[in-house]
Amino acid sequence: DAKTTQPPSMDCAEGRAANLPCNHSTISGNEYVYWYRQIHSQGPQYIIHGLKNNETNEMASLIITEDRKSSTLILPHATLRDTAVYYCIVRVEGSARQLTFGSGTQLTVLP
Amino acid sequence: SQTIHQWPATLVQPVGSPLSLECTVEGTSNPNLYWYRQAAGRGLQLLFYSVGIGQISSEVPQNLSASRPQDRQFILSSKKLLLSDSGFYLCAWSRWNNSPLHFGNGTRLTVT
Repeated sequence: DAKTTQPPSMDCAEGRAANLPCNHSTISGNEYVYWYRQIHSQGPQYIIHGLKNNETNEMASLIITEDRKSSTLILPHATLRDTAVYYCIVRVEGSARQLTFGSGTQLTVLP
Repeated sequence: SQTIHQWPATLVQPVGSPLSLECTVEGTSNPNLYWYRQAAGRGLQLLFYSVGIGQISSEVPQNLSASRPQDRQFILSSKKLLLSDSGFYLCAWSRWNNSPLHFGNGTRLTVT
């Protein structure tokens, strides 16, 4: 399974868009990009995932570069409740096992 | 809708004591089930996963074991806890191999 690289921390002003980058330069053609977030002392929460097309849901947008070597999670209007650790993970299609989460990015939304 | 329950939320156990953490899922059948551990300040580490009753795959050698006695029940156990077993234990489920994981709220275990 491909490894991901994320910045350890980021700040964002409340109401502004938060753009969280992730590098996955060794991603394979059958690996999906998943994003989760974890608020302190809670279980991780699924946000969004995609293979190669950009995706949007009620929580966020996922932009995957054409070469699929990196992606960006966008929270369009960050709120204080979006403060959390955000994990980017790549996962082989059809694999029953789950990848070990990395260290993620600590996003702090500032008032 | 589907829900996942984990208990207890916190647990303090002495070294050498046994452990049993339980996880149940409601609202779905034949889910994939997972146990993760998160050490303080670190990412999640997959410990066990199960694709069906009685089917357990272990990801890392350790002092722990898992069992799935019923379709929507997943149990993490140890006969004798070690100090290094302290951590935040998370249970998760997914509908299929390709679907997202959904996590419980975890159990914070402190071995003293």
